[in-house]
Amino acid sequence: AQKVTQAQTEISVVEKEDVTLDCVYETRDTTYYLFWYKQPPSGELVFLIRRNSFDEQNEISGRYSWNFQKSTSSFNFTITASQVVDSAVYFCAPREGNEKLTFGTGTRLTIIP
Amino acid sequence: DAGVIQSPRHEVTEMGQEVTLRCKPISGHDYLFWYRQTMMRGLELLIYFNNNVPIDDSGMPEDRFSAKMPNASFSTLKIQPSEPRDSAVYFCGTTGRGEQFFGPGTRLTVL
Repeated sequence: AQKVTQAQTEISVVEKEDVTLDCVYETRDTTYYLFWYKQPPSGELVFLIRRNSFDEQNEISGRYSWNFQKSTSSFNFTITASQVVDSAVYFCAPREGNEKLTFGTGTRLTIIP
Repeated sequence: DAGVIQSPRHEVTEMGQEVTLRCKPISGHDYLFWYRQTMMRGLELLIYFNNNVPIDDSGMPEDRFSAKMPNASFSTLKIQPSEPRDSAVYFCGTTGRGEQFFGPGTRLTVL
């Protein structure tokens, strides 16, 4: 069974600061995927990224970057030069071969203008 | 593609009434999931289908909940009878090309 921990319940930063959201997961599988989703105040779940367990390269997409470290079972998410529109709840979710996502409890990020 | 479509977006009903939530998946996606989101329990998987066949319904809270997928383009989640503790946002999601997309959710309020 999978377990995912997002230890940061809430984070507030001032606009333009960088912020990193932590995610630690537990799985017995050697093959799995890791996802991040954003849930803005409007409530929808927005897919951000999917990484597989064989690809430990960091990924950058605009102001977003992800650091996957298999040795520490972490898949952290960094927003560079944060903006007010980044305010949302962010979920980390591992997925094993059965296609089921197991969501973390989420981190509520507030960007202060 | 229009993405995952859910209806209704909001539903307010009284305890004891039957509630039916609907989902139209993205065409070609062969997995369909129903999740529920509450403050207390977060996002939890209720049931999922593969090629219209229910694979795992271990997350369905009790017999009052049932889900069907009569064809590849439609699924329903039914609660009968509804109770106030069923109040939540219900998300439908589908998987394609490894990515998993969600509909906008149905906010259910049971009075």
